[in-house]
Amino acid sequence: DIQLTQSPSFLSASVGDRVTITCRASQDISSYLAWYQQKPGKAPKLLIYAASTLQSGVPSRFSGSGSGTEFTLTISSLQPEDFATYYCQQVNSYPHTFGGGTKVEIK
Amino acid sequence: EVQLVESGGGLVQPGGSLRLSCAASGFTFSDHYMEWVRQAPGKGLEWVGRIRKKVNSYTTEYAASVKGRFTISRDDSKNSLYLQMNSLKTEDTAVYYCTRVRAVYYVDYWGQGTLVTVSS
Repeated sequence: DIQLTQSPSFLSASVGDRVTITCRASQDISSYLAWYQQKPGKAPKLLIYAASTLQSGVPSRFSGSGSGTEFTLTISSLQPEDFATYYCQQVNSYPHTFGGGTKVEIK
Repeated sequence: EVQLVESGGGLVQPGGSLRLSCAASGFTFSDHYMEWVRQAPGKGLEWVGRIRKKVNSYTTEYAASVKGRFTISRDDSKNSLYLQMNSLKTEDTAVYYCTRVRAVYYVDYWGQGTLVTVSS
């Protein structure tokens, strides 16, 4: 199975900060990676797919990059509604594994 | 508007069975692969499995942790997805999400989830 390692697992930041989350795959997954945002008690929401394509309706402050084994999710200017947990997921091969998550909290 | 509404969760004893349902609306259900994803209390997301479309013979894929115990099925005439869970274990306790797959690869819509608790 492909393992996805997210870092950091916890991040404390202020409104307006630029935030970067990394997702590393244990083997090459090309660009078959998605990013999700989950708020407490809610279902996850798709932000980015195919590593860098913004899902319709998602603010442009979110961006994704990378290919192969290293990927990043960047929030250019953190907003109050962005405090949440973020997950990456690979869909290159079964099982479609998720990273362990990155919790973004208010500093 | 795409809507996915799960039902059927609840408390079940270890070794027991439970069947989850997901009612889909707002899109052409038969055109999409569908998946189940679960989340244990306070933990991360875990992919459970996928069912493809009729043109793909409704074939399925499963996580190793549930293979042989869980079965995913669908009824396109009822716009419904199902998860039959047998031989349940305490570690199957989780919120189970019904999800829609866009363009074969990525999950783009999630239901609100239904809680399954396996405990004696």
